[in-house]
Amino acid sequence: NAGVTQTPKFQVLKTGQSMTLQCAQDMNHNSMYWYRQDPGMGLRLIYYSASEGTTDKGEVPNGYNVSRLNKREFSLRLESAAPSQTSVYFCASSPQGSSYNEQFFGPGTRLTVL
Amino acid sequence: LAKTTQPISMDSYEGQEVNITCSHNNIATNDYITWYQQFPSQGPRFIIQGYKTKVTNEVASLFIPADRKSSTLSLPRVSLSDTAVYYCLVGDLSGSFNKFYFGSGTKLNVKP
Repeated sequence: NAGVTQTPKFQVLKTGQSMTLQCAQDMNHNSMYWYRQDPGMGLRLIYYSASEGTTDKGEVPNGYNVSRLNKREFSLRLESAAPSQTSVYFCASSPQGSSYNEQFFGPGTRLTVL
Repeated sequence: LAKTTQPISMDSYEGQEVNITCSHNNIATNDYITWYQQFPSQGPRFIIQGYKTKVTNEVASLFIPADRKSSTLSLPRVSLSDTAVYYCLVGDLSGSFNKFYFGSGTKLNVKP
């Protein structure tokens, strides 16, 4: 099992450009999440998907959109990138109904917006 | 969601036991306490989770007093590879979906 995979690993954008960050998990998890982590800071939840077909806003959703394409894939889109969105983006997944809310994280995408 | 407070950083030496305390004064009845570890350039990794008293696994122990307003992560005999950021999270596991918020964490620096 690959676990949670993210593409790309690195990306540089110019202000105003758009891009989609891809995330996939092969653990048959129902729930998926997108976080951002700024230098020296903790993770902040952007959007989450409790199950296939549903998405909800987290702490910092402004400037982002998400799509839960199917049970495996959860993408994050920046429609018009801004320098304030320079960050490391982590995708995570977790099983539903587990007695332990263990989230499994991907390796992250380092995004720089110039 | 219950807010958590942790020390920003801690130093230790190899072979020592390290205790990291987290305060969560507003913890709710259905909230569980979860700890994650994050190495540089990696995503966080689940360490341990508990509701009350003491939980132990092969990596760490978690101590939760009766009032549950704080918890302590105990790492026995740390090594240099335990240098990481440790996050304390509090959240409700009673529903079909669970969402947790990460704070700023505690940066543990283990010295030789």
